[in-house]
Amino acid sequence: EIVLTQSPVTLSLSPGEGATLSCRASQSVSSSYLAWYQQKPGQAPRLLIYGASSRATGIPDRFSGSGSGTDFTLTISRLEPEDFAVYYCQEYGSSPLLSFGGGTKVEIK
Amino acid sequence: QVQLQESGPGLVKPSETLSLTCTVSGDSIRNSYWSWIRQPPGKGLEWIGDIYFSRGTNYNPSLKSRITISVDTSKNQLSLKLSSVTAADTAVYHCARHTASHLDSWGQGTLVTVSS
Repeated sequence: EIVLTQSPVTLSLSPGEGATLSCRASQSVSSSYLAWYQQKPGQAPRLLIYGASSRATGIPDRFSGSGSGTDFTLTISRLEPEDFAVYYCQEYGSSPLLSFGGGTKVEIK
Repeated sequence: QVQLQESGPGLVKPSETLSLTCTVSGDSIRNSYWSWIRQPPGKGLEWIGDIYFSRGTNYNPSLKSRITISVDTSKNQLSLKLSSVTAADTAVYHCARHTASHLDSWGQGTLVTVSS
């Protein structure tokens, strides 16, 4: 069973700062099968990044994804007020077929 | 634009079966994989399973013995049944469209509480 570990658990930043979120897999993951989601309180998750680095439709270019193997990163170049939320990484193809990381909360400092 | 809406009882008694429906609009249920995901209050996301109407289902091994996911193509709906529920099954349950390796459209979710 694959385990996705996200760090840090909480990231305290100010608007305008950059954010770097990490997702580490317990075994190698195909880059094609790594995605990132944003979730705000009371809302469903929203797809941000798929295939490790491709932005989903309508996602601003301040969001970018990178990585390969077991280490993946979501970068937010300059935090806007609406970006403070919880972010999850997700892997496809192992057992279970689809797995999520535990999440990183980006909060206002 | 695809839209998904979950529906079902908000309260289920322990040991009973949780039954939810997801109504899909803007896309045919025949065209994609569809997943169920749940999120206990204040916690992270757990994938429950998925279905493609002509290819069958995939279930999370941790829940496999208690899950049934099915589709009704005439109503463009998918359904989830989870048997023998306990308080640990209390969660917001989401349905989502499963495109290739990711979930690109989600329903807003429905809270199901397991309590007597």
